[in-house]
Amino acid sequence: DIQMTQSPSSLSASVGDRVTITCRASQSISSYLNWYQQKPGKAPKLLIYAASSLQSGVPSRFSGSGSGTDFTLTISSLQPEDFATYYCQQSYSTPHITFGQGTRLEIK
Amino acid sequence: EVQLVQSGAEVKKPGESLKISCKGSGYSFTSYWIGWVRQMPGKGLEWMGIIYPGDSDTRYSPSFQGQVTISADKSISTAYLQWSSLKASDTAMYYCARRSGYGDYGYYYYYMDVWGKGTTVTVSS
Repeated sequence: DIQMTQSPSSLSASVGDRVTITCRASQSISSYLNWYQQKPGKAPKLLIYAASSLQSGVPSRFSGSGSGTDFTLTISSLQPEDFATYYCQQSYSTPHITFGQGTRLEIK
Repeated sequence: EVQLVQSGAEVKKPGESLKISCKGSGYSFTSYWIGWVRQMPGKGLEWMGIIYPGDSDTRYSPSFQGQVTISADKSISTAYLQWSSLKASDTAMYYCARRSGYGDYGYYYYYMDVWGKGTTVTVSS
């Protein structure tokens, strides 16, 4: 199984901050990496697919980068609505996908 | 509008059976895989398995193989997740999601782009 490890597990930041979340795969997964945002009581929402492609309708302050084993999700200027939990997910071994454990982004 | 509509919350006793549903609309239901994801209270996302409604080809996560059954009825654009004997540890939110893909230079990237709102399952004596 491919293990996905996110860091940090939680993060406090302020509106306007630049934030980076990291995801590491236990083996190379090329660019088969997606990012999701989940707000409390809501279903996950796709933000980024194929490591760096922005899903339609997602604000451009979100960006993704990386390939191989190391990936990042960056929010260039945090907005109040961005406080949520973020998950990475590998699709290299599709259909057997795995998620990272999540990164909770809180207001400082 | 493309959407997945899941069945309502369930409260069951240990040992009971259960089947929850996920109805797709606004797209060709038989052309996309539908996956199921578990989220236990206060925890992260766990992939359970996936089905292709066009021919009912089904794949399970090793963690859930034998524990649940995934099925689909393409005539009514609905996928299902069922348990034959629930345990307290099955208490969770269950999401269905559509798998889409993107092709680029011979590589195909898959992602879950449409999600249902989730079905809460509570198992308690």
